[in-house]
Amino acid sequence: DIQMTQSPSTLSASVGDRVTITCRASQSIASYLNWYQQKPGKAPKLLIFGASTLHSGVPSRVSGSGSGTDFTLSISSLQPEDFATYYCQQSHTTPYTFGQGTKLEIK
Amino acid sequence: EVQLVESGGGLVKPGGSLRLSCAASGFTFSSYSMTWVRQAPGKGLEWVSFIRGGSNKMDYADSVRGRFTISRDNAKNELYLQMTSLRAEDTATYFCARASSITGRSLDHWGQGALVTVSA
Repeated sequence: DIQMTQSPSTLSASVGDRVTITCRASQSIASYLNWYQQKPGKAPKLLIFGASTLHSGVPSRVSGSGSGTDFTLSISSLQPEDFATYYCQQSHTTPYTFGQGTKLEIK
Repeated sequence: EVQLVESGGGLVKPGGSLRLSCAASGFTFSSYSMTWVRQAPGKGLEWVSFIRGGSNKMDYADSVRGRFTISRDNAKNELYLQMTSLRAEDTATYFCARASSITGRSLDHWGQGALVTVSA
């Protein structure tokens, strides 16, 4: 199975900050990398697919990059609604594994 | 509007069985692969199983292979997950989600989740 490793596990930041979350795959997954946002008690929401394409309705302050094994999710100018847990997921080879998650907290 | 609504969750004893359902609406159900994802209390997301639109391919996580069976009824727009030989570690909220080939098999719509608790 392809292992997905996110870092950091927890990230503290302030409104207005820029943050970056990293996701590394244990083998090449081309650009089959997706990012999700989840808030407590809610279902996850798709943010980015194909490593860098924003899903409909996702604000442009969110961006993704990478290919192969190394990927990043960046959020510029953090807003209060951005504080949540973020997961990467590879959809290259089943099982389509998730990273362990990064909790973005208010500093 | 795409809607996915899970049902069938509940409390079951270890070794027992349960069937989850996911009712889909707002899109051509038979044209999409569907996925089950679970989340144990306070933990991260775990991909469980998927099935293609025509039911011609499915796959499972190793943790559930041989115990869980995914299926679908395209005439009823419903997805199912039959869970047998349940263990305490299967306790989780189970989400159904739509997988879109247009978006690289990402999960673009999710249900609200169904809680399954395995306990004596």
